[in-house]
Amino acid sequence: EVQLLQSGGGLVQPGGSLRLSCVASGYTFTDHAMTWVRQAPGKGLEWVSGITGSGGSTYYADSVKGRFTISRDNSKNTVYLQLNSLRPGDTAVYYCAKGRGISSGPYCFDYWGQGTLVTVSS
Amino acid sequence: EIVLTQSPATLSLSPGERATLSCRASQSVGSHLAWYQQKPGQAPRLLIYDASNRAAGVPVRFSGSGSGTDFTLTISSLEPEDFAVYYCQQRGHWPPEWTFGQGTKVEIK
Repeated sequence: EVQLLQSGGGLVQPGGSLRLSCVASGYTFTDHAMTWVRQAPGKGLEWVSGITGSGGSTYYADSVKGRFTISRDNSKNTVYLQLNSLRPGDTAVYYCAKGRGISSGPYCFDYWGQGTLVTVSS
Repeated sequence: EIVLTQSPATLSLSPGERATLSCRASQSVGSHLAWYQQKPGQAPRLLIYDASNRAAGVPVRFSGSGSGTDFTLTISSLEPEDFAVYYCQQRGHWPPEWTFGQGTKVEIK
């Protein structure tokens, strides 16, 4: 059974940093790209960042480029999202998700973590 | 950037009725469009991929159609558990950039 278990998140002041983690199980981790998607309170889904199975390529939405860093440790079946220079507008539930199919650029995401809330406020 | 526009924003229907949700892309995405269901407090769930293929475990009452710029998600007969928000999603051209529609809420009439 595929599972994505997230940790991290919490309350942080503007300008602060946070690291989110997502531990995967139930499939061959290196075969699949991973992504982070966020959802501001009461709003829709926004793609944030993606990483290929090998970790060799990373992708970012313009809204987070230069502030967030995605990475993965394939020995630990874990993908991370480092959030720096946080702004109130980054307040959201952050989800990790697994790319469907063995592709460096999957067309969609078939399994999702439970989500973790990041609140940026003074 | 490819923009996805969903309509209507809200659909008010009764259990047993047919729901038809629309998603329009600002430029062609071929058949590479997905649909997700999200219930309050839960993560999104993949329903349909590649426009018309049901994901594992998705009931047959859910079906998707379309290609190019116009796509439809149909729920043939609404069950109580189907009242939720539905999002369409696509992956842009290289380098990949994924975008979602703004969502359609299916609510109980």
